[in-house]
Amino acid sequence: AQSVTQLGSHVSVSEGALVLLRCNYSSSVPPYLFWYVQYPNQGLQLLLKYTTGATLVKGINGFEAEFKKSETSFHLTKPSAHMSDAAEYFCAVSESDSWGKFQFGAGTQVVVTP
Amino acid sequence: NAGVTQTPKFQVLKTGQSMTLQCAQDMNHEYMSWYRQDPGMGLRLIHYSVGAGITDQGEVPNGYNVSRSTTEDFPLRLLSAAPSQTSVYFCASSYETGTELFFGSGTQLSVL
Repeated sequence: AQSVTQLGSHVSVSEGALVLLRCNYSSSVPPYLFWYVQYPNQGLQLLLKYTTGATLVKGINGFEAEFKKSETSFHLTKPSAHMSDAAEYFCAVSESDSWGKFQFGAGTQVVVTP
Repeated sequence: NAGVTQTPKFQVLKTGQSMTLQCAQDMNHEYMSWYRQDPGMGLRLIHYSVGAGITDQGEVPNGYNVSRSTTEDFPLRLLSAAPSQTSVYFCASSYETGTELFFGSGTQLSVL
């Protein structure tokens, strides 16, 4: 069975500062890992994904994440926060034998202060 | 491509009423699913389908029915609405295992 833990339900960062959102997962088989962003009153939009290959994954809007198998982690980072990064972020895992079923973390709300 | 289209965007029901949330995708995706989003709980899977004629239960299926008669459509039926079903509902689809989910814009449902 798969599960996802996101550390911190709310994160406040200053504009220009590093954004770091933590995600740990458990999976019995090699996982596929995703980060989604949700802006107010909208659906979820894919930021980036890891399936196979390079463990450092680059996504849209300057975000990147690193898959660390030994730590079962997939933390999301952005070197310099922008006001437009204020949103809720979700980590998700899907397994190769799960027929596309996704397990989502509880989400992290990011607030960016001037 | 319109992607994943959900209707309605907003709905208010009284306890005991029934309704159907519509979902359609035009990307020829085999996999479709319904999630509900509640504060602090992320998204939880209600029902999913891996192709026309095939459906299965997710994490929180009670009180909901689904069917998949075509590849494009995957409606979610609330049989007898309860206040605990007040939530935001998302339909999503994907091409195959290992690919990302594409989401609709959501339906905000309130049950009084």
